[in-house]
Amino acid sequence: AQSVTQLDSQVPVFEEAPVELRCNYSSSVSVYLFWYVQYPNQGLQLLLKYLSGSTLVKGINGFEAEFNKSQTSFHLRKPSVHISDTAEYFCAVSEGAGGYQKVTFGTGTKLQVIP
Amino acid sequence: EAEVAQSPRYKITEKSQAVAFWCDPISGHATLYWYRQILGQGPELLVQFQDESVVDDSQLPKDRFSAERLKGVDSTLKIQPAELGDSAMYLCASSLRTTEGNTIYFGEGSWLTVV
Repeated sequence: AQSVTQLDSQVPVFEEAPVELRCNYSSSVSVYLFWYVQYPNQGLQLLLKYLSGSTLVKGINGFEAEFNKSQTSFHLRKPSVHISDTAEYFCAVSEGAGGYQKVTFGTGTKLQVIP
Repeated sequence: EAEVAQSPRYKITEKSQAVAFWCDPISGHATLYWYRQILGQGPELLVQFQDESVVDDSQLPKDRFSAERLKGVDSTLKIQPAELGDSAMYLCASSLRTTEGNTIYFGEGSWLTVV
């Protein structure tokens, strides 16, 4: 069975500093990986996704993530954060299951950007 | 930009009462998902439809929860009777296809408070 681990429940970072949000997954087959962002009282919005090809994936709002198969990781990074990046971030893995996809989400990491 | 529509946005109900949530996915999306998100946690899948058929309802508490997507378009999630532990955000989402790697698009969510 697939699973997603986001070890950091909260990450405080000063404005304009770099940030890395960690995500590790486990799966027995090929996987597809996603990062979503959730602002307060809203649904989830796709930041970026890895399906195949280049292991470095660029997304919206200046975020990028690197897929590392040997370490089963898909960490999210941004070189310089803004106040508006304060939100909760969810890593997700999609796996095929009997002809349809099964998507599992991590528990989320709250990014708090400090002015 | 097409969106997943959900209603109501907020619902307060008394314990043992019935409550229903409605969702209209992005036009043309074959797959519809209902997730439950408890405060501080990631979304957990309740039920997944491919057109009008249920493909995964393994985590749906069937003694009190029901979901339908009669014409393969919009969907209703019902809880009867509601319990205090059902207080959460109920997220509807859709994807173009059901195979692995398909991006899931979320609605704004419906907040349920059971008192």
